Amino acid sequence: GAVVSQHPSRVICKSGTSVKIECRSLDFQATTMFWYRQFPKQSLMLMATSNEGSKATYEQGVEKDKFLINHASLTLSTLTVTSAHPEDSSFYICSARQPGLAGYEQFFGPGTRLTVL
Amino acid sequence: AQSVTQLGSHVSVSEGALVLLRCNYSSSVPPYLFWYVQYPNQGLQLLLKYTTGATLVKGINGFEAEFKKSETSFHLTKPSAHMSDAAEYFCAVSDKAGGSYIPTFGRGTSLIVHP
Repeated sequence: GAVVSQHPSRVICKSGTSVKIECRSLDFQATTMFWYRQFPKQSLMLMATSNEGSKATYEQGVEKDKFLINHASLTLSTLTVTSAHPEDSSFYICSARQPGLAGYEQFFGPGTRLTVL
Repeated sequence: AQSVTQLGSHVSVSEGALVLLRCNYSSSVPPYLFWYVQYPNQGLQLLLKYTTGATLVKGINGFEAEFKKSETSFHLTKPSAHMSDAAEYFCAVSDKAGGSYIPTFGRGTSLIVHP
């Protein structure tokens, strides 16, 4: 199956700093990628849909100036958490759609654990 | 609007016993249905999916699920649980309403397997 990677897998930062998370589709081109946030023992919350070459579409309640998304190529999307605070600590997961696949299946990255001190 | 309900946040079974994880959905149009498994500190891995055709879908690791339109259900089963099946399981539904096919996830069910 298609492979999606994320980097870093784990990051610890100080409050007020910015953190960039990369999501890459390794063996296919993804015109659409998705960013999710997952709190402990909870389901995935869609934050935004990232479209290559255009602005991301954010879900209601997600601050676009706080969570900057850039989808600069067909294999790379980045999520930057700006001026991170402890409440931004969470597990962030990206996914990518492989074009033409039945059911519009998404392939998920391994996730990034962000801890803001 | 689509939605997913997973009954039971935790399911506990003995090794070798039947696994049954329940999922009910609502969708205004024919849905695509998915089951994903998540191990600690990892992303989601697709177990199986229903798009069209045969309503009994077989997936990886011996899991299968049956799409029952009349019951709006897509329950996940495995005849014999293994210790390695202990994980979090998510049911998801997507449909073409709005044209986006963005899935909605259930809250997840934690499968606990006892020796």
